[in-house]
Amino acid sequence: DIQMTQSPSSLSAFVGDRVTITCRASQSITNYLNWYQQKPGKAPNLLIYAASSLQSGVPSRFSGSGSGTDFTLTISSLQPEDFATYYCQQTYSPYTFGQGTKLEIK
Amino acid sequence: EVQLVESGGGLVKPGGSLRLSCAASGFTFSNAWMSWVRQAPGKGLEWVGRIKSKTDGGTTDYAAPVKGRFTLSRDDSKNTLYLQMTSLKSEDTAVYYCTTVAKSSAYAADYWGQGTLVPVSS
Repeated sequence: DIQMTQSPSSLSAFVGDRVTITCRASQSITNYLNWYQQKPGKAPNLLIYAASSLQSGVPSRFSGSGSGTDFTLTISSLQPEDFATYYCQQTYSPYTFGQGTKLEIK
Repeated sequence: EVQLVESGGGLVKPGGSLRLSCAASGFTFSNAWMSWVRQAPGKGLEWVGRIKSKTDGGTTDYAAPVKGRFTLSRDDSKNTLYLQMTSLKSEDTAVYYCTTVAKSSAYAADYWGQGTLVPVSS
């Protein structure tokens, strides 16, 4: 099975900061990489699909990049509502999530 | 508006069985690929399994920890997805989410239900 490793596992930042979360696959997954945001007690919400495509309705401060085995999620200017846990997911074969990155307010 | 509503969760003893349902509305269910994702208390997301539409073969795939114990099925006449769980273990304790699978968006889970809790305990 394809393993997904996210880093860091937790992160503290200020409102307005630029933040990057990385996700590494144990083998090439081309661009079958998606990013989700989850807030406590809620279902996850799709942010980015196919590594770099922004899901409809998601603010443009979120962006994704990468291909093959290395991917990043970037939030250009953190807003208070962005403090949450973020997960990557590969959908190349079959589907696996990363362990999550908890983003907290500094 | 897409709606996914899970039901059937509840306390079950180790070794027991349970069937979860996911009632779908707001889209053409028969054309949709669907999946289940679970989340143990305080832990991350874990993909459980996926079922394709009947027109795409209706085949299923499962995560290794549940293969042979869990079965995904669908009733397109009732717009309902099912997850039959058998030989349940304490480590299956989780909130179980039903999701759509977006074939045109790298098979991302673009819609999620609210989840149903399955505690496995004696």
